[in-house]
Amino acid sequence: AQSVTQLDSHVSVSEGTPVLLRCNYSSSYSPSLFWYVQHPNKGLQLLLKYTSAATLVKGINGFEAEFKKSETSFHLTKPSAHMSDAAEYFCVVSDTGFQKLVFGTGTRLLVSP
Amino acid sequence: DGGITQSPKYLFRKEGQNVTLSCEQNLNHDAMYWYRQDPGQGLRLIYYSQIVNDFQKGDIAEGYSVSREKKESFPLTVTSAQKNPTAFYLCASTEDREYNYGYTFGSGTRLTVV
Repeated sequence: AQSVTQLDSHVSVSEGTPVLLRCNYSSSYSPSLFWYVQHPNKGLQLLLKYTSAATLVKGINGFEAEFKKSETSFHLTKPSAHMSDAAEYFCVVSDTGFQKLVFGTGTRLLVSP
Repeated sequence: DGGITQSPKYLFRKEGQNVTLSCEQNLNHDAMYWYRQDPGQGLRLIYYSQIVNDFQKGDIAEGYSVSREKKESFPLTVTSAQKNPTAFYLCASTEDREYNYGYTFGSGTRLTVV
């Protein structure tokens, strides 16, 4: 069965510094991988997705993620954090054989001035 | 604009009551989903439907029921059998059965037992 592990429950950065949110996955098939962002009491918004094309995926709001099969990782990065980036981020895996998404437990990003 | 509408935004349930959460989409998506979100646990799948008049149990279906009589609607009923229903409930849909496009999510319903 597929699974996702988000290695940090909380990450704190200062505004203007780089962001790194870590995600490892386990999948029996060739996976599709996603990052979603959730602001308080809101639904989830898709940041970016990997679907077996380019391994470096660019998303919205300056975020990007790199698929590394050898490390089974899909870490999310941003060169410079903004106050508006403070939210919860979910790494998600989808196996076509299982026809559903599996969510990580989330990483809360805190951005200080 | 196309999207998913969940209502109500906040819902309060008394012990022993059944309540129904609404989810409507105008995206013409075939597949729809219900997730439950609890702090520190991510999202867990309750039920999903890939086509009208058909639905499947997810990982935590006990105490919940759904129907899919129309393509655009996928209501979730939280029954009195659900012993701990206080949570944030999210509805989602996707157009692609291969799930490579990701899901579109509604803005959620927060259910509280009083």
